[in-house]
Amino acid sequence: GQNIDQPTEMTATEGAIVQINCTYQTSGFNGLFWYQQHAGEAPTFLSYNVLDGLEEKGRFSSFLSRSKGYSYLLLKELQMKDSASYLCAVPDSNYQLIWGAGTKLIIKP
Amino acid sequence: GAVVSQHPSWVICKSGTSVKIECRSLDFQATTMFWYRQFPKQSLMLMATSNEGSKATYEQGVEKDKFLINHASLTLSTLTVTSAHPEDSSFYICSARDPQGIHEQYFGPGTRLTVT
Repeated sequence: GQNIDQPTEMTATEGAIVQINCTYQTSGFNGLFWYQQHAGEAPTFLSYNVLDGLEEKGRFSSFLSRSKGYSYLLLKELQMKDSASYLCAVPDSNYQLIWGAGTKLIIKP
Repeated sequence: GAVVSQHPSWVICKSGTSVKIECRSLDFQATTMFWYRQFPKQSLMLMATSNEGSKATYEQGVEKDKFLINHASLTLSTLTVTSAHPEDSSFYICSARDPQGIHEQYFGPGTRLTVT
């Protein structure tokens, strides 16, 4: 079967760095997505990794290790607006996204 | 990035009535669209996959006669909640996959349905 695990909640301080981990078990691999979802809003696309390594995009970076079934989202210079849920997702063979439960990130001043 | 619109953004209806929600891909043709439901403080739940020109594929536990999905064109899918009940009150979100892209799904802004 397919399974995605990520922490339920994390807390970090404004200006700091936080790493949100995601482990997955899938039959086949078509890449891994990270989405951001603010409360009451739809998810927005953050990143896509299909090859091993780190993809940097401004304050956000995403890392993938296919051999370990592991990814993380790294957020630098945290801002209060980064308070949101961060969703890890992998597509199945029909391109349906299998979603993790999401990690709620709380940023404190 | 690609844009997906959803209408209405919120709706209040009475029990027993039907509500139609539209999902449009504005700048790309979406052969596949997805309908999700999300209850407060819970994760996204996929309801069905909508394929243009064919019947939708419903997830287990989702009543296809209650949640009617029509994907009549490459840019429009509709979800009709029939005979709505208060327990159908939820946040309904559609997404569309750009077949030319990296298979990411672009989400509409969502529709908040309240059934009284």
